[in-house]
Amino acid sequence: GAVVSQHPSWVICKSGTSVKIECRSLDFQATTMFWYRQFPKQSLMLMATSNEGSKATYEQGVEKDKFLINHASLTLSTLTVTSAHPEDSSFYICSATLSGGSYNEQFFGPGTRLTVL
Amino acid sequence: KQEVTQIPAALSVPEGENLVLNCSFTDSAIYNLQWFRQDPGKGLTSLLLIQSSQREQTSGRLNASLDKSSGRSTLYIAASQPGDSATYLCAVRFTGTYKYIFGTGTRLKVLA
Repeated sequence: GAVVSQHPSWVICKSGTSVKIECRSLDFQATTMFWYRQFPKQSLMLMATSNEGSKATYEQGVEKDKFLINHASLTLSTLTVTSAHPEDSSFYICSATLSGGSYNEQFFGPGTRLTVL
Repeated sequence: KQEVTQIPAALSVPEGENLVLNCSFTDSAIYNLQWFRQDPGKGLTSLLLIQSSQREQTSGRLNASLDKSSGRSTLYIAASQPGDSATYLCAVRFTGTYKYIFGTGTRLKVLA
């Protein structure tokens, strides 16, 4: 089956530092990857859509200069939280769709828990 | 506005009971709908995917139904077990978009 991994699974950082989260499709190529965020006791909210070789599309209210997304290959997308603050503490989950398909199903990664002190 | 709502927000049942989780959505023009399970502090596990053209999907003790006209989906869990305790999320992909809109989830606790 299609497997998506994320690294790291959890990270703690100091306020003001930047954190990079990786999302990889392990056994398939993904033209499109999605980044979601989940605050405590809330549901997942889409942050941005990442397309290989082009700029990401951000949802309304998400700061593109703060959440940098790079999708340099068909198996890797990265999310960098720049100058992180405590309010950025959240659970970040990525998903990927099969290249060449109808984007019929998204395969979700295990998530990365970010805690900003 | 396209929204997804799940009721109840929390549910506690004794082991062995059959139960139904509800998901409603505001726009009947959907591409597909997925049910996920999320354990505390963990990622998502996909349980069932129902295409727009389908009425239901089954996997083991799980059965998900879809009624687009009424904007509803249900997840039926038969013979519940303590290991079923988790948060269950419903996510809808509306027509014309690739993204999923998630409900707020139902926190299920099955008591031994």
